[in-house]
Amino acid sequence: QKEVEQNSGPLSVPEGAIASLNCTYSDRGSQSFFWYRQYSGKSPELIMSIYSNGDKEDGRFTAQLNKASQYVSLLIRDSQPSDSATYLCAVRTSGGFKTIFGAGTRLFVKA
Amino acid sequence: GAGVSQSPSNKVTEKGKDVELRCDPISGHTALYWYRQSLGQGLEFLIYFQGNSAPDKSGLPSDRFSAERTGGSVSTLTIQRTQQEDSAVYLCASSPGTEETQYFGPGTRLLVL
Repeated sequence: QKEVEQNSGPLSVPEGAIASLNCTYSDRGSQSFFWYRQYSGKSPELIMSIYSNGDKEDGRFTAQLNKASQYVSLLIRDSQPSDSATYLCAVRTSGGFKTIFGAGTRLFVKA
Repeated sequence: GAGVSQSPSNKVTEKGKDVELRCDPISGHTALYWYRQSLGQGLEFLIYFQGNSAPDKSGLPSDRFSAERTGGSVSTLTIQRTQQEDSAVYLCASSPGTEETQYFGPGTRLLVL
């Protein structure tokens, strides 16, 4: 079992729709969770971080965390073509600062 | 302000040669990470430096890989006797240490022929 798992996609949504990206992790002691966005040929950039169970909203983005289910998700409301990218889920393992990234989900937003 | 810089941006080498990849973190950032990203894949953790603490080398794939960080700033990742499977983009990231956001450099694209 991979430490951080994501559906590779591609996930295709129409402009204006909600895009839902999911991630599961194996280290039950993990406390820090991140979503990065990576455009083709570019480096990852942080979108959201979340540390507590529940929802965290930032503009059109909402991160959701359920530690009991070892599940973290990212919702993108009113999706725009500029949101088309690969979204990487990252989990900081317990006991240190090592961060494990998922393989990423490719999102396409159709105009 | 200046972000994380990496050099070279591209490196083509022959199998069996040694290569050195350089990372200049954001000034004042105490934490520095190296990752490897193969085509179409996620980021593979290689090594982590935090201040003067011993680095976390648990992600280095073999003893051909090593990294050092001099003076708590610049870091060099060295790959000895390169193999074709080492071809990838090598990404460096830094963080302030008290925060957990990682700021990534542009990467070095390594091609081993």
